[in-house]
Amino acid sequence: DTGVSQDPRHKITKRGQNVTFRCDPISEHNRLYWYRQTLGQGPEFLTYFQNEAQLEKSRLLSDRFSAERPKGSFSTLEIQRTEQGDSAMYLCASSLWRASFVDTQYFGPGTRLTVL
Amino acid sequence: SQQGEEDPQALSIQEGENATMNCSYKTSINNLQWYRQNSGRGLVHLILIRSNEREKHSGRLRVTLDTSKKSSSLLITASRAADTASYFCATDARIQGAQKLVFGQGTRLTINP
Repeated sequence: DTGVSQDPRHKITKRGQNVTFRCDPISEHNRLYWYRQTLGQGPEFLTYFQNEAQLEKSRLLSDRFSAERPKGSFSTLEIQRTEQGDSAMYLCASSLWRASFVDTQYFGPGTRLTVL
Repeated sequence: SQQGEEDPQALSIQEGENATMNCSYKTSINNLQWYRQNSGRGLVHLILIRSNEREKHSGRLRVTLDTSKKSSSLLITASRAADTASYFCATDARIQGAQKLVFGQGTRLTINP
């Protein structure tokens, strides 16, 4: 399977714990995006990378959230001191961006986080 | 905040009928895309329409775009049970450097056999 993969698919944690999610983009895709989706809502943008550089962060991304893409390939999203309001589906997407072209984002299956 | 608003929020039709979903947005766009999401799964890209296009087809899908009204519609013809899913429109806002997609709340489509 050469699509976007995410790990784990489900995570249940207790409030106050730290969690880390991993996203493996489609090979050779230079852009990687993180979104959050709560029940009954559309996804909301969190942040994106072009290669290893984090170019934009949403105001939704509080200080407890950090994302990395150290070698321009896979990415991790860490949430520290989780709160019940962090419960959501975390979606990763990747795209091949080239100047003057529209880059279509391809989504992974998501990681569903439940904070008890 | 979410840019788009889909209408209706939920739609239930019989298999074989056509399904039409509408999306309205607020700011100028470069393009508008439609995605499908099966329950609890990731999003699947369906179709992209550029701001200078008015209509686009892909198989049983037909998308229209009216930039003067800031609205788009997705038509699924000859619906099948497998089309049951949530459908989202997403805009790529015309802000230099911004590459994020801004999604609406989605239309939950149910196809009854």
